[in-house]
Amino acid sequence: TQLLEQSPQFLSIQEGENLTVYCNSSSVFSSLQWYRQEPGEGPVLLVTVVTGGEVKKLKRLTFQFGDARKDSSLHITAAQPGDTGLYLCPAGSARQLTFGSGTQLTVLP
Amino acid sequence: DTEVTQTPKHLVMGMTNKKSLKCEQHMGHRAMYWYKQKAKKPPELMFVYSYEKLSINESVPSRFSPECPNSSLLNLHLHALQPEDSALYLCASSQEHSREPYEQYFGPGTRLTVT
Repeated sequence: TQLLEQSPQFLSIQEGENLTVYCNSSSVFSSLQWYRQEPGEGPVLLVTVVTGGEVKKLKRLTFQFGDARKDSSLHITAAQPGDTGLYLCPAGSARQLTFGSGTQLTVLP
Repeated sequence: DTEVTQTPKHLVMGMTNKKSLKCEQHMGHRAMYWYKQKAKKPPELMFVYSYEKLSINESVPSRFSPECPNSSLLNLHLHALQPEDSALYLCASSQEHSREPYEQYFGPGTRLTVT
């Protein structure tokens, strides 16, 4: 069973600050997705990374896949209140997505 | 178009009622999923349909009954639910089950309250 850990679990910051959240696994990811979920809504797919060392940018969000494909990070530059939400990086397998606890981000205006 | 739609958005039902949740996607995906999500918890898989056949049932109580009438539609029939079944029910789809890169697209969910 792939153990998935996300950190921090909770993060509250002021608008304009930078932040990084982490996703770590005990096993190698074949691919990894990042989702953001706002209260009362479904998770929205942000990005998929598949190659070790890969970096993808989505406006102010930068996603990095570890060289060994066992970890990933999401860096947000100049956070805005609209970035508030639950960030999830599920472990994918042929059977299902397994979600960790996620990182609950609150950006205060 | 990466949209998965779910109806209704909100549902309140009594423990003796029968209701259905509906999910639709037009992305040509051949796998569809039901998840249950309690407040401040990650989604938990309930059912997987692959090519309109039930592929996975995560030991879900029989008061939840899934149905896949065609490749675009997924229903979840509810009967004799308990208050602890109150949750956000999420539908998702993917190109195929068991196929990388395992991207799933989620609907907005149905907020179910059982009274």
